[in-house]
Amino acid sequence: QSALTQPPSVSGSPGQSVTISCTGTSSDVGNYNHVSWYQQPPGTAPKLMIYEVSNRPSGVPDRFSGSKSGNTASLTISGLQAEDEADYYCSSFTSSTTWVFGGGTKLTVL
Amino acid sequence: QVRLVESGGGVVQPGGSLRLSCAASGFTFTSYGMHWVRQAPGKGLEWVTFIRYDGSNKYYADSVKGRFTISRDNSKNTVYLQMNSLRAEDTAVYYCAKDSNWGCHDWGQGTLVTVSS
Repeated sequence: QSALTQPPSVSGSPGQSVTISCTGTSSDVGNYNHVSWYQQPPGTAPKLMIYEVSNRPSGVPDRFSGSKSGNTASLTISGLQAEDEADYYCSSFTSSTTWVFGGGTKLTVL
Repeated sequence: QVRLVESGGGVVQPGGSLRLSCAASGFTFTSYGMHWVRQAPGKGLEWVTFIRYDGSNKYYADSVKGRFTISRDNSKNTVYLQMNSLRAEDTAVYYCAKDSNWGCHDWGQGTLVTVSS
């Protein structure tokens, strides 16, 4: 149950786009579309932003989008806003009938 | 709206036990699986365990298998996490979350468990 691999940090200026990668294996990301993304501002509980690779729950802005290619999933945030500054985590269902999270990525809006 | 309220956290000595509860409201509890996810201080999220909507199947992370037990009482809209043989590395905020579409769709505010002598 090794954690999925995310970059520790990414940054961008307001209005720009950033992409956060999430690399797993053929036993998790590569084999299932059960990939989710979560946003966690400091001191708060996580919030679901994307589920099933590319679906947005109601209320999540369409500036947030998800995709997957092979063993790597990606979260793209376009039109960056100051309020997007937070930690972001990916997660995937696995062939062991467990779930695994990524190590998290800190997004800084410059 | 969905509301999940965790309780039962606190300070416990190594080797001790604790039972966490998560009271659910605002949705049909009997139709959804439930997760526990934890976050050590300053660290990332770690999935802990999942129970199906009817309690028929339970799954655990290797790090807690054999020590933690998830259960639910659908008559009380509550999910539990029994934690035994606690270790320092179990110190974390423990969140319960409602499963939907194979993800943690809604989260509680968390309860802090500190394992220390």
